[in-house]
Amino acid sequence: DIVMTQSPDSLAVSLGERATINCKSSQSVLYSSNNKNYLAWYQQKPGQPPKLLIYWASTRESGVPDRFSGSGSKTDFILTISSLQAEDVAVYYCQQYYSTPSFGQGTKLEIK
Amino acid sequence: EVQLLESGGGLVQPGGSLRLSCAASGFTFSSYAMNWVRQAPGKGLEWVSAITGSGGSTYNADSVKGRFTISRDNSKNTLYLQMNSLRVEDTAVYYCAKDTHSSTWNDAFDIWGQGTMVTVSS
Repeated sequence: DIVMTQSPDSLAVSLGERATINCKSSQSVLYSSNNKNYLAWYQQKPGQPPKLLIYWASTRESGVPDRFSGSGSKTDFILTISSLQAEDVAVYYCQQYYSTPSFGQGTKLEIK
Repeated sequence: EVQLLESGGGLVQPGGSLRLSCAASGFTFSSYAMNWVRQAPGKGLEWVSAITGSGGSTYNADSVKGRFTISRDNSKNTLYLQMNSLRVEDTAVYYCAKDTHSSTWNDAFDIWGQGTMVTVSS
């Protein structure tokens, strides 16, 4: 099974500043036949289900603000929020779907 | 509007059974693989089970293998999770989630229901 590890566990960033969340997989999630990384990012606010932000590691889901971006390949990935807004306070999860799906432990993002 | 609505959660004793349902609307249900994902109180997300669009293939996490069965009725646009031999550690909010693009699995989850709470306690 692929283990996903996020860092940090929690993060406090000032409004308007950049937030960066890291995600590392225990093995590569890059599928060589289509050159796609099977990696997604989700945002979960209290009392709500998760919301898909990014898939294929860097493709933004429709309707997601462009301040959210994903990068990385194989085993190392980053979610970046370029200019933090108050509504971005949430827990963020990475997920691999290369094999049996698994999620990172989550990163709690707060306002400094 | 694309929507998923779970039902069937509740309080059950250890060793008991429960059947969850997820009613889908707003999309061609049979064209997409579907999943169950759970979240224990105050904890992270755990994928539980998946089923292909046709229902021909199913997949389960090791933690529920042999106890939970995922199924679907494409004529009713409904996904199910039959949970037997329930344990205290199965206590969680159970979400159904739709694959983004694929009927065959291995995809991100673009649509999630609001979840249904399952509590296993004596």
